[in-house]
Amino acid sequence: GQNIDQPTEMTATEGAIVQINCTYQTSGFNGLFWYQQHAGEAPTFLSYNVLDGLEEKGRFSSFLSRSKGYSYLLLKELQMKDSASYLCAVVDSNYQLIWGAGTKLIIKP
Amino acid sequence: IAGITQAPTSQILAAGRRMTLRCTQDMRHNAMYWYRQDLGLGLRLIHYSNTAGTTGKGEVPDGYSVSRANTDDFPLTLASAVPSQTSVYFCASSDGGGQSTDTQYFGPGTRLTVL
Repeated sequence: GQNIDQPTEMTATEGAIVQINCTYQTSGFNGLFWYQQHAGEAPTFLSYNVLDGLEEKGRFSSFLSRSKGYSYLLLKELQMKDSASYLCAVVDSNYQLIWGAGTKLIIKP
Repeated sequence: IAGITQAPTSQILAAGRRMTLRCTQDMRHNAMYWYRQDLGLGLRLIHYSNTAGTTGKGEVPDGYSVSRANTDDFPLTLASAVPSQTSVYFCASSDGGGQSTDTQYFGPGTRLTVL
């Protein structure tokens, strides 16, 4: 079967760095998305990786290793507004989008 | 520009009743999607439409139907609601031809409770 694994919840301190991991076992791979979802709101796009390596966008970076079936989202200089759930989603060989359950990130002052 | 709007915001519904969740986008996106989001589970695709006039079944289509009469609107109908359909429903759209590699833009969601 197809599976996306993310930690259920993580806690970090304001101003610090946090890494949210996502491992996947899918039938093929055609890209990986990260979305941010604040409580009670819609998911919003953060990043898309299809090639191995690190992509940086301001305070957020996303890394992909296709050989390891692994990605992470790195958040630097954490702010209180970063408290949200972070959703990992993989595009499989049939171009179906498989979503993880999300990681709830709690930022403490 | 509103993006994607959904109505109602929330609804409590008696089991057995018919209900239509509305979704409208003003971005002229070709593809639209309906998901449900339940605690502890990832978003699950109910139905999708790659372009006006066409629809397809997602992962969990049973008990739901959709139509796509024009580019902007993509209503989701529950013919006879059951308690297991209690969930948060998100409508989304994407540009292009509905490839899963396209970025999806989500509406604010409808919180539905079936009693």
